[in-house]
Amino acid sequence: QVQLVQSGADVKKPGASVKVSCKASGYTFSGYYINWVRQAPGQGLEWMGWINPDIGGTNYAQKFQGRVTMTRDTSISTAYMELSSLRSDDTAIYYCARLKLTADQGDYWGQGTLVTVSS
Amino acid sequence: DIQMTQSPSSLSASIGDRVTITCQASQDISNYLNWYQQKPGKAPKLLIYDASNLETGVPSRFSGSGSGTDFTFTISSLQPEDIATYYCQQYDNVPPITFGQGTRLDIK
Repeated sequence: QVQLVQSGADVKKPGASVKVSCKASGYTFSGYYINWVRQAPGQGLEWMGWINPDIGGTNYAQKFQGRVTMTRDTSISTAYMELSSLRSDDTAIYYCARLKLTADQGDYWGQGTLVTVSS
Repeated sequence: DIQMTQSPSSLSASIGDRVTITCQASQDISNYLNWYQQKPGKAPKLLIYDASNLETGVPSRFSGSGSGTDFTFTISSLQPEDIATYYCQQYDNVPPITFGQGTRLDIK
């Protein structure tokens, strides 16, 4: 079965960077884009960007351009999302997800990773 | 970017009620719309894809309709386990993928 397992919660100081991992299993990792979606406390869902694990190509939401970097390691079927210059309003749960964007795909989400930015 | 306007932002209903949520896109998105359910502390769960198709394993009391810019999500008979927040999401002309702001549903 398809699974996306994310790294554990993290606490960072303002100005630091955080790197969240997302290990995929149960399918061919290179065959499906990995999206990153975040959710601030009590707020809605916000798409941050995606990575094509096959070629490593990325596309980021304009809001995060210059601060986010999405990478992957195909040898261990793992995607990464690094966010830099953290601010308090980056405190959120970060999800990796294989979103259903065509009828023949499934929709799968990681369990979420809480990132807290606090001095 | 395509903006998704969801309404209402919150809703109280009784068990057995018919519940309707709407989502309006800022431009024509054909039928490229998903509906998600999110319970506290959990990742979102896909209920409806391509505006009107029920995801495998999802109860038939959930349904979706619409195309173009106006979409509707319906629960035909509200059950206690349906208490959650619901989101629409468009995937036409991506990136970016965009979500509605959510509708919080609780029991009256």
